[in-house]
Amino acid sequence: KAGVTQTPRYLIKTRGQQVTLSCSPISGHRSVSWYQQTPGQGLQFLFEYFSETQRNKGNFPGRFSGRQFSNSRSEMNVSTLELGDSALYLCASSLTGTSAETQYFGPGTRLLVL
Amino acid sequence: AQSVTQLDSQVPVFEEAPVELRCNYSSSVSVYLFWYVQYPNQGLQLLLKYLSGSTLVESINGFEAEFNKSQTSFHLRKPSVHISDTAEYFCAVERAGSYQLTFGKGTKLSVIP
Repeated sequence: KAGVTQTPRYLIKTRGQQVTLSCSPISGHRSVSWYQQTPGQGLQFLFEYFSETQRNKGNFPGRFSGRQFSNSRSEMNVSTLELGDSALYLCASSLTGTSAETQYFGPGTRLLVL
Repeated sequence: AQSVTQLDSQVPVFEEAPVELRCNYSSSVSVYLFWYVQYPNQGLQLLLKYLSGSTLVESINGFEAEFNKSQTSFHLRKPSVHISDTAEYFCAVERAGSYQLTFGKGTKLSVIP
């Protein structure tokens, strides 16, 4: 069974640009979560989607948005990039997102904002 | 709100020696507890989790963690580490129904040959 895939793996952008990251969950998984990982703040929850609905959102500005498609693939978008948005963005998938299930993480997309 | 404190940012240990990675959490409601491991340039992998029942949980590669409600701790232990255990370890909590993991800052375990 293929794991969680994230594209692209690496990205370099400049301040003010916008970026879209993609996450394909494990086949059959309908819950997708996104996390931002930085050396200073560690791992922080961005949002979680299930069946195209956002069920929870972390404490991030409105520049960070996401969506989920009917095939459970998810995208996140960051508009008006800032230097502080440089991070590893991880997505995770599970069957329905409940705590009893294991969340499977992808390798991440490393974003560098110059 | 929940919070997680990993008391050590870095832990060096000799190969075949025992290790304990400490994790304390704070929450006003019941939470589920997790340990994840991140190898260099990879995503996170679940090591073990505590949902309910026996307070001692084990992983397939020799790690174990004990849930201590009175001390709000979930320390990770291994009696004998291997070089391959070198990685960063994250403790996390989840409030039931929140669909959100709250992570600690991580502990980098370095196993010295």
